Amino acid sequence: DVKVTQSSRYLVKRTGEKVFLECVQDMDHENMFWYRQDPGLGLRLIYFSYDVKMKEKGDIPEGYSVSREKKERFSLILESASTNQTSMYLCASTSGGFDEQYFGPGTRLTVT
Amino acid sequence: EDQVTQSPEALRLQEGESSSLNCSYTVSGLRGLFWYRQDPGKGPEFLFTLYSAGEEKEKERLKATLTKKESFLHITAPKPEDSATYLCAVQPLYNFNKFYFGSGTKLNVKP
Repeated sequence: DVKVTQSSRYLVKRTGEKVFLECVQDMDHENMFWYRQDPGLGLRLIYFSYDVKMKEKGDIPEGYSVSREKKERFSLILESASTNQTSMYLCASTSGGFDEQYFGPGTRLTVT
Repeated sequence: EDQVTQSPEALRLQEGESSSLNCSYTVSGLRGLFWYRQDPGKGPEFLFTLYSAGEEKEKERLKATLTKKESFLHITAPKPEDSATYLCAVQPLYNFNKFYFGSGTKLNVKP
């Protein structure tokens, strides 16, 4: 079974803090993705990566950055957390493009 | 503008009462349409990919169909364990780096 794990289920941070969300997959997938999910807005793509040290902007990259130093690990970084970044963050991975994405359980981030 | 709209937002069914969920999309060419199921507190779980109009996929009580402007997820004789939020997503043909999810249909099947 493909397994995608995220470092925390719940996280509370203060405005202005630098926040790291970690995602690890164990199936040697090439592609990894970060989404945020908000009520009424669905999932929105923040960043994705097709390969190690490679990244592509999604639809809402502002205020975020990513790091992929190893194939199995994809990190989302909030450089200076703001209250409008309070959300559920979901990581996913695939072996081919956007097809058949395997999602982690999500991290619910609250910024106060 | 590329857009994905799901309806209804919520649907309550009695066990055994068949129905359909709708996903309509406006993109400049479709590379693929995807259906996912999401249970509370969990990440979405992949169900189907559809690539061309007329295509159908089935899995247990679920059947997904695709036309040029919309997709339907038909649920036949649903059971309480089918209760979940169903999400559809599209990837445009001419921009492989884009991927759009709808906001989902929350299905509640009562015994």
